[in-house]
Amino acid sequence: LAKTTQPISMDSYEGQEVNITCSHNNIATNDYITWYQQFPSQGPRFIIQGYKTKVTNEVASLFIPADRKSSTLSLPRVSLSDTAVYYCLVGDTLWQGGKLIFGQGTELSVKP
Amino acid sequence: DVKVTQSSRYLVKRTGEKVFLECVQDMDHENMFWYRQDPGLGLRLIYFSYDVKMKEKGDIPEGYSVSREKKERFSLILESASTNQTSMYLCASGGGSGTEAFFGQGTRLTVV
Repeated sequence: LAKTTQPISMDSYEGQEVNITCSHNNIATNDYITWYQQFPSQGPRFIIQGYKTKVTNEVASLFIPADRKSSTLSLPRVSLSDTAVYYCLVGDTLWQGGKLIFGQGTELSVKP
Repeated sequence: DVKVTQSSRYLVKRTGEKVFLECVQDMDHENMFWYRQDPGLGLRLIYFSYDVKMKEKGDIPEGYSVSREKKERFSLILESASTNQTSMYLCASGGGSGTEAFFGQGTRLTVV
C-alpha cells in the first residue's frame, strides 16, 4: 500500500473552510484514496473516497489532481463538532486480502 | 445501518490472564480487522481476516491471536496479558459491494 504523509495537526475557526492535504507519491494505478474521521473515544468513520478529479458528498469534497500524487480533503464551514483526527488511506480494493493501514492522521482543532 | 459491536467498552484484567475481545458485525462482511490505538502511535493493525477460518498477521501480531469460526464474529485473544497491552482496541469490518470499513466503538483494556 502506498505510504501517505499528512500534517500532524491543524487549527481552524468556526465557519472557515478547512483543506487537509495528503501526499502519496507512490500511488499505484489501481489505488483509491479514502478519508476517515475519528472523534475521541470512538472508532474511525468513513467520510469520502475517490479515484481522480473531484468527489463531493454531504460532508466533504475530495480533490485529486491529474497525477494523483496528492489529494485534498475539503471541509466547508467547519463547526466545533468537526474537531477530530482525519486519516488519509491509499490502496486498491480492501477486500482481496488487503490490509487497511492507517497513518498518523491530522488532528484538526476547530475553535470558536 | 451497519453495526459492528464489541463485547465490552471497558475491561480491566490482571497480568498473565487470558483475555478475549469479541467483535460481531451484522452486514455479512467477509473482511474483519483488529487494531490497537495508542497515543502518538495511531491505529496499528494486529490481525485481519478475509474469510471464515482465514487470518493474516498485521503489523503487530506478537502477543495476540485471533479466531474466526463464524463469518459475523472475529475474536482477539491475548494469551497472557501484559501491561504493555493496555490500549484501546478497535474492530472493523468491510466487504460486499462497498469499499468502506465500519468500526466498533472500541474496547479500552487496562492490564494491571
